[in-house]
Amino acid sequence: DGGITQSPKYLFRKEGQNVTLSCEQNLNHDAMYWYRQDPGQGLRLIYYSQIVNDFQKGDIAEGYSVSREKKESFPLTVTSAQKNPTAFYLCASRHRDRDTQYFGPGTRLTVL
Amino acid sequence: AQSVSQHNHHVILSEAASLELGCNYSYGGTVNLFWYVQYPGQHLQLLLKYFSGDPLVKGIKGFEAEFIKSKFSFNLRKPSVQWSDTAEYFCAVTRSGSARQLTFGSGTQLTVLP
Repeated sequence: DGGITQSPKYLFRKEGQNVTLSCEQNLNHDAMYWYRQDPGQGLRLIYYSQIVNDFQKGDIAEGYSVSREKKESFPLTVTSAQKNPTAFYLCASRHRDRDTQYFGPGTRLTVL
Repeated sequence: AQSVSQHNHHVILSEAASLELGCNYSYGGTVNLFWYVQYPGQHLQLLLKYFSGDPLVKGIKGFEAEFIKSKFSFNLRKPSVQWSDTAEYFCAVTRSGSARQLTFGSGTQLTVLP
């Protein structure tokens, strides 16, 4: 069953703790993306990666970090430097020759 | 910087009413345009897309959108909405460059009353 999986679905953390969100895809897509969704603001790009071992900052990268050690995986770390981390985080992927991005189910992070 | 505007933040309609959701973008070059939909508790999924050719595109579930280049618009339409169309709708534009990052509008919450 092909697709994008994100885990966990809900995540709670204390303020000041780093937390890592998982994103895995078995679509053989080259490009992967992380977005943050806040009410009334749509989706904003945090980081993206077009190829293994390479990634670029998006519009709101401050306080986040990523890695791309495998084609299938693109984990996002929300660090303690992120001032307002509570949000819904969406991962997406795209085939290198196509423009359409496909999205995972998302992770809702709540920082207490 | 490229931007996407969705002017309707929340639209409430009765079943069988017609729907039009506005989307305008600011980029003057070649664009690819998308409408995504997020049903309650479900993945963000592609509704329809425009890359080139016929400016009137048809998507899933009876939705269509018209690209009007002179107005920088890509409005979403449906002749008769159903209760199951209740969802949040996002317009998005692909930026120029090989990374093809999407720029999203702020979204429109559609509520269809039975």
